Amino acid sequence: EAQVTQNPRYLITVTGKKLTVTCSQNMNHEYMSWYRQDPGLGLRQIYYSMNVEATDKGDVPEGYKVSRKEKRNFPLILESPSPNQTSLYFCASSLFGTVTDTQYFGPGTRLTVL
Amino acid sequence: TQLLEQSPQFLSIQEGENLTVYCNSSSVFSSLQWYRQEPGEGPVLLVTVVTGGEVKKLKRLTFQFGDARKDSSLHITAAQTGDTGLYLCASGTYKYIFGTGTRLKVLA
Repeated sequence: EAQVTQNPRYLITVTGKKLTVTCSQNMNHEYMSWYRQDPGLGLRQIYYSMNVEATDKGDVPEGYKVSRKEKRNFPLILESPSPNQTSLYFCASSLFGTVTDTQYFGPGTRLTVL
Repeated sequence: TQLLEQSPQFLSIQEGENLTVYCNSSSVFSSLQWYRQEPGEGPVLLVTVVTGGEVKKLKRLTFQFGDARKDSSLHITAAQTGDTGLYLCASGTYKYIFGTGTRLKVLA
């Protein structure tokens, strides 16, 4: 089944404890992206990647890191999480990231930083 | 920075009613996508509109892109409980922005 998977689905952590949220897609897509969703603010893009070893900032990249060493994986790293990073995170992928491509979203990771 | 404003924020209607939700931009869209998101899930793409004045239909859903490409609307005819969800508009290529959404609840 074609899908985007994220792990973990739920995570509670404490301020300053490094964490990684994994994202994997099995559709051979070039483009992958991370978003956060907050009440009243909608979905905001954190980082995106057009292909392996190519990443770029979205609208809210501060406090996050990403890497794209393989086509299928695009982990999101929070090196020193803070409470304002408590949010619902979505990973997405599409063939090339252009307007005619369908962006497929993962099921989300709900992160709470205490 | 382009902003996407959606209205209304919340909408609660009875099954069988018609409704329209709107997405407006402070500047011209290159293209516009509409998504539906159900609780506990990621957004799912409904349609992409690219050309000013374009109208696309998906069963009971009609999507319209304004002639000036600064606004779009989604019209649902004879709403069903299965239409309940968060409707999001989005624009971009590689770098995407999303509207804050319209939360629709259709009551049986």
